[in-house]
Amino acid sequence: QSVLTQPPSVSAAPGQKVTISCSGSSSNIGNNLVSWYQQFPRTAPKLLIYDNNVRPSGIPDRFSGSKSGTSATLAITGLQAGDEADYYCGAWDTSLTSGVFGGGTKLTVL
Amino acid sequence: EVQLVESGGGLVQPGGSLRLSCAASGFTFNVYWMTWVRQAPGKGLEWVATIKKDGSEKHYVETVKGRFTISRDNAKNSVSLQMNSLRAEDTAVYYCARDQGPSLTTMGVVEYYDYWGQGTLVTVSS
Repeated sequence: QSVLTQPPSVSAAPGQKVTISCSGSSSNIGNNLVSWYQQFPRTAPKLLIYDNNVRPSGIPDRFSGSKSGTSATLAITGLQAGDEADYYCGAWDTSLTSGVFGGGTKLTVL
Repeated sequence: EVQLVESGGGLVQPGGSLRLSCAASGFTFNVYWMTWVRQAPGKGLEWVATIKKDGSEKHYVETVKGRFTISRDNAKNSVSLQMNSLRAEDTAVYYCARDQGPSLTTMGVVEYYDYWGQGTLVTVSS
């Protein structure tokens, strides 16, 4: 069981918008900053969003992050076939004194 | 160009030991925390351990405490993970990652991994 909770899967058609939720607690998301990662099969994860809503250089503005209370959301607009991947949220957990991840969400572009 | 290259994975029997290494290049190694993250076959990411810039502070996930030891050699730009008393559930791809935290800010603790290695597979099986 992961400390952060994500839906196992989401899907949407090309061009549409999809959101992926990440639920935590006051010891992680509620009081710390959230990051998001994209992972294609058999490759290393890639940083998508950090500090809740900041995109690293090179990440398209179709990807955006937000946080409210103990939950965070990754939004992807203008879906493309190439966005099919697994997405993970992450944060520091102050009680555990460790990093924590969500269980991952598989995005399918229909 | 930032590069992280892991090595040392392989097949080991339950109860055995293995030492993973991660060679870093392309950045000033001693100003970053470094973290190990693992991924069991077909499963999600699991944070394993992190080490402070000067090696003075280390944190571990509960399931590896007392069995794994993270260390670093800033002169050689490398970080290692010594894994003892290995169990079948330790089977995973182990990634080395450059860590931008954990650092406390007015908005809370910042912690994220901006560069990752390609991973090295550890298989614990008899």
